[in-house]
Amino acid sequence: QKEVEQDPGPLSVPEGAIVSLNCTYSNSAFQYFMWYRQYSRKGPELLMYTYSSGNKEDGRFTAQVDKSSKYISLFIRDSQPSDSATYLCAMSARGNEKLTFGTGTRLTIIP
Amino acid sequence: DSGVTQTPKHLITATGQRVTLRCSPRSGDLSVYWYQQSLDQGLQFLIQYYNGEERAKGNILERFSAQQFPDLHSELNLSSLELGDSALYFCASSVGGAVSEQYFGPGTRLTVT
Repeated sequence: QKEVEQDPGPLSVPEGAIVSLNCTYSNSAFQYFMWYRQYSRKGPELLMYTYSSGNKEDGRFTAQVDKSSKYISLFIRDSQPSDSATYLCAMSARGNEKLTFGTGTRLTIIP
Repeated sequence: DSGVTQTPKHLITATGQRVTLRCSPRSGDLSVYWYQQSLDQGLQFLIQYYNGEERAKGNILERFSAQQFPDLHSELNLSSLELGDSALYFCASSVGGAVSEQYFGPGTRLTVT
């Protein structure tokens, strides 16, 4: 069993819809949670960073962490065609430590 | 632009050869991480350096080695290359200490023929 599970999709939604992306994990030591966006053949771009449980909002993006359920989510409001990319969740147990990634969800926003 | 630079962008080489990938971290970052991304394995951690010292090793083959220099740039050396080594290789950097935010470079695409 992988430490981090993420539905690979693909996921297609119409422009303007709310998108929900999720990951589950098995290692209860994980405390730092990140979401990255990766366009085709480009480097992952850090979108959201949260520590422990709770919510964090940044513009159209909201990250949620539920450590009791070992479940994290990323919500994208008012989705745009430019949001079409692969979204990767990542996590680590301590600061300054390697990240363990999900396999990524490929998202397409249809104009 | 994350501020992390990687060279070269593309490498095409033959089996059995050796290549060196280079990474310059963001200004002020002390930690450098190397990751491999292949279609079937996703992003896999290879090795981490912190301020010139090896800090952690992941799924790095014995044919691969890395180092971080006094100016904090890092090089990943891949030798006796096999077809299965074809992948995207990313470098990421972070400040270090208690920080987990890692910023990724644009990657080097390695093709072994």
